[in-house]
Amino acid sequence: QVQVVQSGAEVKKPGASVKVSCKTSGYIFTGYFIHWVRQVPGQGLEWMGWINPNSGGTNYAQKFQGRVTLSRDTSISTAYMELSRLRSDDTAVYYCARGIPVANGMDVWGQGTTVTVSS
Amino acid sequence: DIQMTQSPSSLSASVGDRVTITCQASQDIRNYLNWYQQKPGKAPKLLIYVASNLETGVPSRFSGSGSGTDFSFTISSLQPEDIATYYCQQYDNRLTFGGGTKVEIK
Repeated sequence: QVQVVQSGAEVKKPGASVKVSCKTSGYIFTGYFIHWVRQVPGQGLEWMGWINPNSGGTNYAQKFQGRVTLSRDTSISTAYMELSRLRSDDTAVYYCARGIPVANGMDVWGQGTTVTVSS
Repeated sequence: DIQMTQSPSSLSASVGDRVTITCQASQDIRNYLNWYQQKPGKAPKLLIYVASNLETGVPSRFSGSGSGTDFSFTISSLQPEDIATYYCQQYDNRLTFGGGTKVEIK
């Protein structure tokens, strides 16, 4: 079955970078976008961007442009999200999710990765 | 960026009640809207795509409608397992989520 499994929790200091992985299985990795969404504790969902695993093309939310980099390794069906210049307000759960072709939404989600930014 | 305004931000209803949530876009998004359910501590789950299409396996008591700037999401008969926060999401221009509606049992 389709699975999306993310890397484990991270604790980082302000100013550092974090890279979260998103390993997929059970479907053709290059056939579906991968989206990244974050959720600050107690708040709503915030879309960060998507990557087209086939072409490597990306589209970022304006808020994160210049700080986020999405990438992929098609040989291991894995996508990555790197966020740089971390601040305390980047403390959140970060999700990756498979995109649905007919509507730019997300049908299979990872379990989430908690990133804590603290000095 | 397109802003999505959901209302109410929370509601309390009885089991069996009809529940409706609205989502208003800051500009015309045609029917490029999806709805998700998120239970505490869990990842969101896609319920409705392209405004009114039910995702496979989702109970038929959930429905969506609307186009342009005004959309609605309805649970025809609220069940205890429907306790969750619901989000709309537009994809006409990049992606944006609404602020969410927390649904509780009265």
